[in-house]
Formats: sequence, structure tokens, C-alpha cells
Amino acid sequence: SAVISQKPSRDICQRGTSLTIQCQVDSQVTMMFWYRQQPGQSLTLIATANQGSEATYESGFVIDKFPISRPNLTFSTLTVSNMSPEDSSIYLCSVAGQGAISGYTFGSGTRLTVV
Amino acid sequence: GENVEQHPSTLSVQEGDSAVIKCTYSDSASNYFPWYKQELGKRPQLIIDIRSNVGEKKDQRIAVTLNKTAKHFSLHITETQPEDSAVYFCAADLNTGFQKLVFGTGTRLLVSP
Repeated sequence: SAVISQKPSRDICQRGTSLTIQCQVDSQVTMMFWYRQQPGQSLTLIATANQGSEATYESGFVIDKFPISRPNLTFSTLTVSNMSPEDSSIYLCSVAGQGAISGYTFGSGTRLTVV
Repeated sequence: GENVEQHPSTLSVQEGDSAVIKCTYSDSASNYFPWYKQELGKRPQLIIDIRSNVGEKKDQRIAVTLNKTAKHFSLHITETQPEDSAVYFCAADLNTGFQKLVFGTGTRLLVSP
């Protein structure tokens, strides 16, 4: 399965600022997915990032708040913009298995605290 | 869209007992159902999965069963050990061709020695 390097692992940010999270995959993948996991909660899909096209956002998430880049088949970034304390969460990138649909591999996550 | 419900939210068992976690899904077009284990402070890890053309799958002490008619699937852990303590998430695919998964709400499993 793919190996994903995600950084930063954690950060404490002031409200109103932005944070960019990076994910690097050790192999080329078509789709990358960004999830949010609020404290003690499940994983909620933010958006799907396909190389060479605009990311597709899920209901409740907008590009102005969570802009995503996908410059090539091994890298993606998620920016959390104009942060508020409600954005304090763990953010995870993931990729699907190769071939037919299969389980995701997740990055190690970014624990974001907004103060 | 797909909705995945998971029960129970917490489960406490004694070491050596069996544990069962159940999930139901709403979209009959879903055909892939993975289970993830998330230890405290760590990323979710895939532990077992099942596709719609299979009714049951086993891997050592863990097994998953699927009832497509009833749209529910279950995780079974036998001979539980303290290291099985974690949060377990079920998921179902959206069958959109884009490999998106919807996750259940999670079950916190505590195995006491």
C-alpha cells in the first residue's frame, strides 16, 4: 500500500490566520481525499482532489475556506483559511488502493488547534 | 446520499470474550465495506474489508459479515485482547466511481484484562 507523508503533524494557530497542510505520496495516485476528524468524532470527507482539475467539495465545505492544490500525482495541499476555534480538528489526507476500489491509506494527520 | 449508522458507540468486554459491532447503510448501490481501527492519537488503519459479492470474510480473529438484502454488515472479533482496545469505524463506498467512502460514527472498544 502507498506510504503518505503528511505535515505538519500539529500546529497551534491564531484565529483569522491560515494553515497549509501538505501530503506527499510515495507513488502516483489518481485521487487524493481530505478528511476532517473533530475531537471524538468520525471522519468527514472535505473534498476529493484529482490531478489537473478542480477539487470536488462535499456539502458544507467550500473552496474559499478549504482551498486545495493538486499539482501532480504524488502531492496535494489543503489550506484551512481564516481559521476560527471551530476549525480545531485533525485533518487527514488519504489515497485509495490501487486497481479496483479498495481501502484507503491515511496520512498521519495534522492536529490543528485554533486559539 | 449514503448514510452509515454504527452501533454500539461503546463496547466493554473482558479479555477472551467476543465483540460484535454492527453497521447499517442506506444506499443499495454500495458494494464495498471496509473496517478501520484507530488507536489513540494514530491514523485509521484498514483491518478487513468485504465486497458485495461475498457474504463473509475472515482473517484470523476478525471476521466481517454482510447482508445486502438487509443492508447491514458486522465486525466480529473473537478472543479479544487488550491491544484490541481502540475505536473502530465501518465505512461504505458511494459507488460513484470516485472511490469515496462514508464512515460510520465509530465504536470505542475497551478490552479489560
